[in-house]
Amino acid sequence: DAGVIQSPRHEVTEMGQEVTLRCKPISGHNSLFWYRQTMMRGLELLIYFNNNVPIDDSGMPEDRFSAKMPNASFSTLKIQPSEPRDSAVYFCASSNYEQYFGPGTRLTVT
Amino acid sequence: GENVEQHPSTLSVQEGDSAVIKCTYSDSASNYFPWYKQELGKRPQLIIDIRSNVGEKKDQRIAVTLNKTAKHFSLHITETQPEDSAVYFCAASKDNAGKSTFGDGTTLTVKP
Repeated sequence: DAGVIQSPRHEVTEMGQEVTLRCKPISGHNSLFWYRQTMMRGLELLIYFNNNVPIDDSGMPEDRFSAKMPNASFSTLKIQPSEPRDSAVYFCASSNYEQYFGPGTRLTVT
Repeated sequence: GENVEQHPSTLSVQEGDSAVIKCTYSDSASNYFPWYKQELGKRPQLIIDIRSNVGEKKDQRIAVTLNKTAKHFSLHITETQPEDSAVYFCAASKDNAGKSTFGDGTTLTVKP
């Protein structure tokens, strides 16, 4: 198995632009998680899905953030419009019990 | 909801010494406790885990202990090596969906 796949690995964008991060979970895993990691705030859970259904989105910072999981093999995290404070590493993880993290997307908003 | 506290936030040891990181959790229904290692610029990776029906688990130089009564668990690394330098996260989980509450992390530095 290739593990959790995320794209892009790096994204640099200007304030106000839309950003879409993508994730392919490990085949057979029922749960998918989106995290944000910064030096100041550590590792934050943004949202998680179980069997493609959003279960808990209480960590999504504001309405500018949205996430979808249209099928068991694909999820997106969208930020619109992006702001400099959104700069962080965004991790996707999948799980049946143990969580396996993707390599992350380093987002820089200028 | 669950709250996980992790101590210390930074730990510096000499190569060959032991390192201990401690975590406490608040929800007595939590039953799964993984530990993750995150090297600089890399993803968190599961290194060891323990379930609530077990008090201790070992894997070579690393071990985890769990005290359900006191609601705390610890990571022990023996004979530390420079490559053990990383940030270590503890977590607690209580549902089969795998949702975990993470501690804030411990930055371990092993000096050669």
